[in-house]
Amino acid sequence: DSGVTQTPKHLITATGQRVTLRCSPRSGDLSVYWYQQSLDQGLQFLIQYYNGEERAKGNILERFSAQQFPDLHSELNLSSLELGDSALYFCASSTLAGVRTGELFFGEGSRLTVL
Amino acid sequence: AQKITQTQPGMFVQEKEAVTLDCTYDTSDQSYGLFWYKQPSSGEMIFLIYQGSYDEQNATEGRYSLNFQKARKSANLVISASQLGDSAMYFCAMREDRTMNRDDKIIFGKGTRLHILP
Repeated sequence: DSGVTQTPKHLITATGQRVTLRCSPRSGDLSVYWYQQSLDQGLQFLIQYYNGEERAKGNILERFSAQQFPDLHSELNLSSLELGDSALYFCASSTLAGVRTGELFFGEGSRLTVL
Repeated sequence: AQKITQTQPGMFVQEKEAVTLDCTYDTSDQSYGLFWYKQPSSGEMIFLIYQGSYDEQNATEGRYSLNFQKARKSANLVISASQLGDSAMYFCAMREDRTMNRDDKIIFGKGTRLHILP
């Protein structure tokens, strides 16, 4: 158990809909990352937050947004969903020192299926 | 531009043999970190090993070692005495030190699926 909790674990929805994925980082971790894992694309970096502030942004679509709340949990909002958004969405957390050495603690992921 | 390249989509290796998983990277930064993660079929991501760009010695963690060749921009993972439990997807990743921009982006390659044969 990594200590990172992601909900929901599975989500099935229709095109055009909006979903929210939630992540609770490990206790004490201020840094939260979001990644998208599709079949042939490895892990695509979406966005990183540190202590409530956006710190780094990847190839995150405009239809996607995220935030980190004062209690450090984070949410990834996906709107106007398309079939191609079907993927496993990972949240990972770390301390600042852990970020330096690449030791991210990953949740189990939220598997999104768009029909 | 792709910054992490893993050229082996899949590999089959006999149990107890050593395995080398290739990873090349692209960066103009002098300071950066390189990492490897393992993703078994159960899906979780497991951190394996870290190499800093200024580290003079190759990193080792148990049966894992990172063959770091800075001039060639390669960071290959070596698994000694492979075991059936090593069958998994392996990802190479990099963090560029952009402390001035406070950017802690960690990017991953597309992975190599390793199959260990009994």
